[in-house]
Amino acid sequence: EDQVTQSPEALRLQEGESSSLNCSYTVSGLRGLFWYRQDPGKGPEFLFTLYSAGEEKEKERLKATLTKKESFLHITAPKPEDSATYLCAASFSGSARQLTFGSGTQLTVLP
Amino acid sequence: NAGVTQTPKFRILKIGQSMTLQCAQDMNHNYMYWYRQDPGMGLKLIYYSVGAGITDKGEVPNGYNVSRSTTEDFPLRLELAAPSQTSVYFCASSYTGTSYEQYFGPGTRLTVT
Repeated sequence: EDQVTQSPEALRLQEGESSSLNCSYTVSGLRGLFWYRQDPGKGPEFLFTLYSAGEEKEKERLKATLTKKESFLHITAPKPEDSATYLCAASFSGSARQLTFGSGTQLTVLP
Repeated sequence: NAGVTQTPKFRILKIGQSMTLQCAQDMNHNYMYWYRQDPGMGLKLIYYSVGAGITDKGEVPNGYNVSRSTTEDFPLRLELAAPSQTSVYFCASSYTGTSYEQYFGPGTRLTVT
């Protein structure tokens, strides 16, 4: 069964304290790895898609990377407005573009 | 573009009642999806559609039905609501091309009592 696991479940950082979120997935023909941001009471907001090992994408203080078994979302010098739940999702071969989501990492950045 | 819109935002149902959650997109996306999100859990796929007139079951389809008569609209029907269907429901859509990230609506919070 294709699975996506995120860690940690929750992370509290001081403003400016860089860290990384992890997303691991079962290896069964990964077609794409997706990162989303979700604010309370809102729908997930698309951040990045990664398609192959070694690929990196950046947006402001966020950088997503991909290996053959996991993806990392690096947050550099975070600000309080980066506080949100970050969701990872994967699409696998034969899944007709369906996404399998992890349960998310709730990030809190303290001023 | 409004993107993906959902109505209503909130709804309370009594056990055994039925309702339809509305979803529309104005991006001309062929693929549309319905998910439910329970507290502390990831999103679970209920149903999806690859185009008008074509739908298929996802991971948790029991108790739900869908139809897709147009490219823009993808309503989700709940028949005989049960407390286990208390959740937040999200609709999403995606392109047909090689980039198939999904774009989500704002969600409908449903409580069944």
